[in-house]
Amino acid sequence: AQKVTQAQTEISVVEKEDVTLDCVYETRDTTYYLFWYKQPPSGELVFLIRRNSFDEQNEISGRYSWNFQKSTSSFNFTITASQVVDSAVYFCALSEARGGSEKLVFGKGTKLTVNP
Amino acid sequence: DAGITQSPRHKVTETGTPVTLRCHQTENHRYMYWYRQDPGHGLRLIHYSYGVKDTDKGEVSDGYSVSRSKTEDFLLTLESATSSQTSVYFCAISGSQAYTEAFFGQGTRLTVV
Repeated sequence: AQKVTQAQTEISVVEKEDVTLDCVYETRDTTYYLFWYKQPPSGELVFLIRRNSFDEQNEISGRYSWNFQKSTSSFNFTITASQVVDSAVYFCALSEARGGSEKLVFGKGTKLTVNP
Repeated sequence: DAGITQSPRHKVTETGTPVTLRCHQTENHRYMYWYRQDPGHGLRLIHYSYGVKDTDKGEVSDGYSVSRSKTEDFLLTLESATSSQTSVYFCAISGSQAYTEAFFGQGTRLTVV
């Protein structure tokens, strides 16, 4: 069975600090996809990144970066120079790569609070 | 933004009554999904559809049924609502080309009293 663990339930930082959100996953599949979504206080789910299991290159998008390590089954997310607008719940998710559907298994989320 | 509309956005209903939530898409995507979000659980898949009249169960399907008679609409029905079904419900869609991202609707907050 697939499983995603986000061990950090809540994190609080001061603006401009760097923060890393951890994600550990379990799957028996050799091909799979990993995701991060952001849920701001307004409640919608905002897609951040999708990464396939064959691509272990780290990715950077502005202040966001992702570190994918198959050896440790981790897909961690770092926000550099955090801002108050980064305050949200962040979800890591996993989908199996079968049949074309995108059924997601989510972690329980990490609530990030960035204080001014 | 992907064209997904959930209705209603908020609903309060009494225990034992039937409730239907609607998800409407304008993207002509093949796959549609219903998730529920509860504190401490993240999002969990209830049911999904891989085509018109083709549906399957997810992780937490007990007490729910779904129907998809048209590509654009995916209905979630609580036959007899219970307080444990108080939750935020999200619809999602994804395209038929392999492994595209899932787009989510705005969510429906359902309260069963």
